[in-house]
Amino acid sequence: EPEVTQTPSHQVTQMGQEVILRCVPISNHLYFYWYRQILGQKVEFLVSFYNNEISEKSEIFDDQFSVERPDGSNFTLKIRSTKLEDSAMYFCASSGDLAGQETQYFGPGTRLLVL
Amino acid sequence: SQKIEQNSEALNIQEGKTATLTCNYTNYSPAYLQWYRQDPGRGPVFLLLIRENEKEKRKERLKVTFDTTLKQSLFHITASQPADSATYLCALGRYGGATNKLIFGTGTLLAVQP
Repeated sequence: EPEVTQTPSHQVTQMGQEVILRCVPISNHLYFYWYRQILGQKVEFLVSFYNNEISEKSEIFDDQFSVERPDGSNFTLKIRSTKLEDSAMYFCASSGDLAGQETQYFGPGTRLLVL
Repeated sequence: SQKIEQNSEALNIQEGKTATLTCNYTNYSPAYLQWYRQDPGRGPVFLLLIRENEKEKRKERLKVTFDTTLKQSLFHITASQPADSATYLCALGRYGGATNKLIFGTGTLLAVQP
Protein backbone atom coordinates (compact mmCIF):
# COMPACT_ATOMS: atom_id res chain seq x y z
CA GLU A 1 0.00 0.00 0.00
CA PRO A 2 1.43 3.41 -0.95
CA GLU A 3 2.53 5.60 1.93
CA VAL A 4 4.04 8.97 2.69
CA THR A 5 7.65 8.82 3.81
CA GLN A 6 9.67 11.43 5.69
CA THR A 7 13.35 11.92 6.43
CA PRO A 8 15.02 12.28 8.78
CA SER A 9 13.01 10.71 11.57
CA HIS A 10 14.86 12.84 14.13
CA GLN A 11 16.77 16.10 13.75
CA VAL A 12 18.65 17.98 16.44
CA THR A 13 19.87 21.46 15.59
CA GLN A 14 21.20 24.59 17.20
CA MET A 15 19.06 27.70 17.43
CA GLY A 16 19.57 29.90 14.39
CA GLN A 17 20.53 27.04 12.09
CA GLU A 18 18.66 26.10 8.93
CA VAL A 19 16.92 22.76 8.64
CA ILE A 20 15.30 21.01 5.71
CA LEU A 21 12.70 18.36 6.32
CA ARG A 22 12.00 16.03 3.46
CA CYS A 23 8.91 14.17 2.37
CA VAL A 24 7.97 11.85 -0.44
CA PRO A 25 4.17 12.04 -0.89
CA ILE A 26 2.05 9.28 -2.39
CA SER A 27 2.95 9.24 -6.07
CA ASN A 28 -0.36 10.10 -7.75
CA HIS A 29 -1.44 12.69 -5.20
CA LEU A 30 -1.80 16.33 -6.14
CA TYR A 31 -2.17 18.14 -2.80
CA PHE A 32 0.60 18.38 -0.27
CA TYR A 33 0.65 19.66 3.29
CA TRP A 34 2.82 20.27 6.30
CA TYR A 35 1.50 20.14 9.84
CA ARG A 36 3.25 20.31 13.16
CA GLN A 37 2.50 18.96 16.61
CA ILE A 38 4.19 20.40 19.67
CA LEU A 39 4.56 17.76 22.38
CA GLY A 40 1.24 17.20 24.14
CA GLN A 41 -0.66 19.58 21.87
CA LYS A 42 -2.90 19.23 18.86
CA VAL A 43 -1.88 18.83 15.25
CA GLU A 44 -1.68 22.29 13.60
CA PHE A 45 -1.86 23.16 9.92
CA LEU A 46 1.16 24.98 8.49
CA VAL A 47 0.81 25.09 4.72
CA SER A 48 -0.85 23.50 1.72
CA PHE A 49 0.68 23.22 -1.74
CA TYR A 50 -0.97 22.54 -5.09
CA ASN A 51 0.08 22.98 -8.68
CA ASN A 52 3.57 24.07 -7.64
CA GLU A 53 2.49 26.89 -5.42
CA ILE A 54 1.31 27.56 -1.89
CA SER A 55 -2.49 27.48 -1.76
CA GLU A 56 -2.87 28.40 1.90
CA LYS A 57 -0.66 29.04 4.89
CA SER A 58 -1.31 29.58 8.56
CA GLU A 59 -0.10 32.35 10.83
CA ILE A 60 2.62 29.99 12.05
CA PHE A 61 4.10 29.80 8.56
CA ASP A 62 6.03 33.07 8.62
CA ASP A 63 8.96 34.24 6.52
CA GLN A 64 11.28 31.75 8.22
CA PHE A 65 9.43 28.89 6.56
CA SER A 66 9.40 27.85 2.93
CA VAL A 67 8.28 24.84 0.95
CA GLU A 68 9.46 23.43 -2.31
CA ARG A 69 8.75 20.59 -4.66
CA PRO A 70 12.13 20.40 -6.38
CA ASP A 71 11.31 17.40 -8.55
CA GLY A 72 8.37 15.11 -9.23
CA SER A 73 8.62 13.20 -6.01
CA ASN A 74 10.04 15.24 -3.11
CA PHE A 75 8.33 17.91 -1.04
CA THR A 76 10.46 19.86 1.44
CA LEU A 77 9.95 22.21 4.35
CA LYS A 78 12.78 24.59 5.15
CA ILE A 79 13.09 26.54 8.35
CA ARG A 80 15.68 29.22 7.69
CA SER A 81 16.66 30.21 11.22
CA THR A 82 15.31 27.85 13.82
CA LYS A 83 13.97 29.02 17.17
CA LEU A 84 13.51 27.05 20.37
CA GLU A 85 9.75 27.13 19.86
CA ASP A 86 10.11 25.35 16.50
CA SER A 87 10.77 22.13 18.42
CA ALA A 88 7.92 19.80 17.44
CA MET A 89 6.92 16.82 15.33
CA TYR A 90 6.49 17.85 11.72
CA PHE A 91 4.14 15.81 9.58
CA CYS A 92 3.90 15.80 5.84
CA ALA A 93 0.59 14.74 4.28
CA SER A 94 -0.80 14.30 0.80
CA SER A 95 -4.22 13.85 -0.75
CA GLY A 96 -5.46 12.70 -4.11
CA ASP A 97 -7.20 14.05 -7.14
CA LEU A 98 -10.53 15.88 -7.21
CA ALA A 99 -12.37 12.64 -6.51
CA GLY A 100 -10.52 12.08 -3.29
CA GLN A 101 -8.95 15.31 -2.16
CA GLU A 102 -10.45 15.28 1.32
CA THR A 103 -8.60 12.38 2.84
CA GLN A 104 -5.05 13.23 3.81
CA TYR A 105 -2.47 10.53 4.38
CA PHE A 106 0.21 11.41 6.86
CA GLY A 107 3.84 10.44 7.04
CA PRO A 108 5.50 9.14 10.22
CA GLY A 109 6.87 12.58 11.07
CA THR A 110 10.20 14.23 11.77
CA ARG A 111 10.93 15.05 15.38
CA LEU A 112 12.79 18.37 15.42
CA LEU A 113 14.61 19.47 18.55
CA VAL A 114 16.10 22.96 18.61
CA LEU A 115 18.71 23.56 21.31
CA SER B 1 -12.23 31.61 16.05
CA GLN B 2 -13.18 28.00 15.47
CA LYS B 3 -13.04 25.61 18.37
CA ILE B 4 -13.05 21.81 18.34
CA GLU B 5 -13.51 19.91 21.55
CA GLN B 6 -13.16 16.20 22.04
CA ASN B 7 -14.82 15.15 25.24
CA SER B 8 -12.59 13.76 27.91
CA GLU B 9 -8.89 13.70 27.43
CA ALA B 10 -8.92 10.01 28.35
CA LEU B 11 -11.44 7.20 28.17
CA ASN B 12 -11.01 3.82 29.86
CA ILE B 13 -13.22 0.89 28.89
CA GLN B 14 -13.26 -2.88 29.24
CA GLU B 15 -12.41 -5.13 26.35
CA GLY B 16 -15.50 -6.10 24.38
CA LYS B 17 -17.42 -2.94 25.22
CA THR B 18 -18.30 -0.14 22.82
CA ALA B 19 -16.17 2.98 23.02
CA THR B 20 -17.93 6.23 22.14
CA LEU B 21 -15.88 9.34 21.47
CA THR B 22 -17.33 12.80 20.93
CA CYS B 23 -16.22 15.71 18.80
CA ASN B 24 -17.99 19.07 19.19
CA TYR B 25 -17.20 22.18 17.22
CA THR B 26 -18.17 25.85 17.27
CA ASN B 27 -17.72 28.83 14.98
CA TYR B 28 -17.15 26.59 12.00
CA SER B 29 -19.18 24.96 9.25
CA PRO B 30 -17.24 21.95 7.99
CA ALA B 31 -18.05 20.27 4.71
CA TYR B 32 -16.61 17.02 6.04
CA LEU B 33 -15.17 15.50 9.14
CA GLN B 34 -12.54 12.82 9.50
CA TRP B 35 -11.37 10.59 12.31
CA TYR B 36 -7.75 9.61 12.68
CA ARG B 37 -5.87 7.29 15.01
CA GLN B 38 -2.52 8.39 16.42
CA ASP B 39 -0.12 6.16 18.32
CA PRO B 40 2.65 7.73 20.47
CA GLY B 41 5.37 9.30 18.34
CA ARG B 42 3.63 8.38 15.08
CA GLY B 43 1.68 10.20 12.41
CA PRO B 44 -2.13 10.26 12.28
CA VAL B 45 -3.67 7.30 10.45
CA PHE B 46 -6.90 7.89 8.53
CA LEU B 47 -9.92 5.89 9.70
CA LEU B 48 -13.18 7.35 8.38
CA LEU B 49 -14.51 10.33 6.45
CA ILE B 50 -18.07 11.62 6.68
CA ARG B 51 -19.49 14.49 4.65
CA GLU B 52 -22.04 17.08 5.79
CA ASN B 53 -24.85 15.47 3.82
CA GLU B 54 -24.21 12.05 5.39
CA LYS B 55 -25.63 10.98 8.72
CA GLU B 56 -23.65 7.83 9.36
CA LYS B 57 -20.71 5.86 8.02
CA ARG B 58 -19.47 2.40 8.96
CA LYS B 59 -16.29 0.46 8.43
CA GLU B 60 -15.89 -2.91 10.09
CA ARG B 61 -16.11 -2.23 13.87
CA LEU B 62 -16.10 1.53 13.41
CA LYS B 63 -19.09 3.83 13.07
CA VAL B 64 -19.21 7.60 12.82
CA THR B 65 -22.20 9.95 12.90
CA PHE B 66 -22.32 13.60 11.93
CA ASP B 67 -25.00 16.02 13.16
CA THR B 68 -24.51 19.47 11.64
CA THR B 69 -27.39 20.88 13.70
CA LEU B 70 -25.82 19.82 16.99
CA LYS B 71 -22.34 20.50 15.54
CA GLN B 72 -21.24 17.14 16.77
CA SER B 73 -19.74 13.87 15.57
CA LEU B 74 -19.76 10.61 17.49
CA PHE B 75 -17.20 7.89 16.84
CA HIS B 76 -17.93 4.36 17.99
CA ILE B 77 -15.66 1.34 18.24
CA THR B 78 -17.66 -1.82 18.89
CA ALA B 79 -16.24 -4.97 20.48
CA SER B 80 -13.19 -2.99 21.53
CA GLN B 81 -9.81 -4.68 21.89
CA PRO B 82 -6.62 -3.70 23.75
CA ALA B 83 -5.07 -3.09 20.30
CA ASP B 84 -7.58 -0.24 19.84
CA SER B 85 -5.80 1.70 22.60
CA ALA B 86 -4.53 4.93 21.04
CA THR B 87 -5.35 8.62 20.72
CA TYR B 88 -8.24 9.37 18.37
CA LEU B 89 -8.38 12.70 16.59
CA CYS B 90 -11.26 14.37 14.83
CA ALA B 91 -10.44 16.77 12.03
CA LEU B 92 -12.69 19.17 10.16
CA GLY B 93 -12.33 20.39 6.62
CA ARG B 94 -13.97 22.54 3.98
CA TYR B 95 -13.71 22.65 0.24
CA GLY B 96 -11.86 25.81 -0.69
CA GLY B 97 -10.35 25.69 -4.11
CA ALA B 98 -6.81 24.40 -3.96
CA THR B 99 -6.61 23.87 -0.23
CA ASN B 100 -8.16 21.29 2.05
CA LYS B 101 -6.53 22.14 5.33
CA LEU B 102 -7.70 20.12 8.29
CA ILE B 103 -8.41 21.60 11.70
CA PHE B 104 -7.75 19.05 14.41
CA GLY B 105 -9.19 18.53 17.85
CA THR B 106 -6.94 17.79 20.80
CA GLY B 107 -7.75 14.11 20.76
CA THR B 108 -9.11 11.51 23.16
CA LEU B 109 -6.78 8.89 24.60
CA LEU B 110 -8.59 5.56 24.61
CA ALA B 111 -7.38 2.76 26.87
CA VAL B 112 -9.02 -0.64 26.46
CA GLN B 113 -8.41 -2.85 29.46
CA PRO B 114 -8.18 -6.62 28.94
